Amino acid sequence: TQLLEQSPQFLSIQEGENLTVYCNSSSVFSSLQWYRQEPGEGPVLLVTVVTGGEVKKLKRLTFQFGDARKDSSLHITAAQPGDTGLYLCAGAPDDYKLSFGAGTTVTVRA
Amino acid sequence: GAGVSQSPSNKVTEKGKDVELRCDPISGHTALYWYRQSLGQGLEFLIYFQGNSAPDKSGLPSDRFSAERTGGSVSTLTIQRTQQEDSAVYLCASSLVLGPTYEQYFGPGTRLTVT
Repeated sequence: TQLLEQSPQFLSIQEGENLTVYCNSSSVFSSLQWYRQEPGEGPVLLVTVVTGGEVKKLKRLTFQFGDARKDSSLHITAAQPGDTGLYLCAGAPDDYKLSFGAGTTVTVRA
Repeated sequence: GAGVSQSPSNKVTEKGKDVELRCDPISGHTALYWYRQSLGQGLEFLIYFQGNSAPDKSGLPSDRFSAERTGGSVSTLTIQRTQQEDSAVYLCASSLVLGPTYEQYFGPGTRLTVT
């Protein structure tokens, strides 16, 4: 059983559309991180959210941390082919060992 | 380069053989992590090293797996008597300090295939 559940597992959309990826858990996290991984490469950190209810924006990407610090979402506005990749959420519920979700594979078609 | 490097990038081995995977972290990073990534399973924590402290080996799946970090820098993950279920991508990451909010910088991984 995954500590962090991500949905959907796969997402294929047309360039210009919006998308949202969800990361949910029954555990409380002091922080959650979002990574993007491209084929043949390691994950790259996009953002860390720390405060319940926090919203962070990174260009067309908006990250939100739930009020109870058990869930997070990633919203991409006007997706572009360059947004294609595996999106992973990660958190450490009670120490510094990160637990990762299984990931959401996003494909943006031109 | 200034990033985390891993070698080899690909390794194909026969069941029962031993393999060694190498990780060169970013210079000056005191924390080093090993993860395993299987298809559809996300990243699984294996082990971490922090400075001169005893490593946390709690994520190692069996006693066939071991790792060492020499001189606080390069790390080697060794898998003895490999099994087909060991096939996965093994990722190494390093960070300046140990903690959940500190960015971990990942290497490109070693894809291990056990035949």
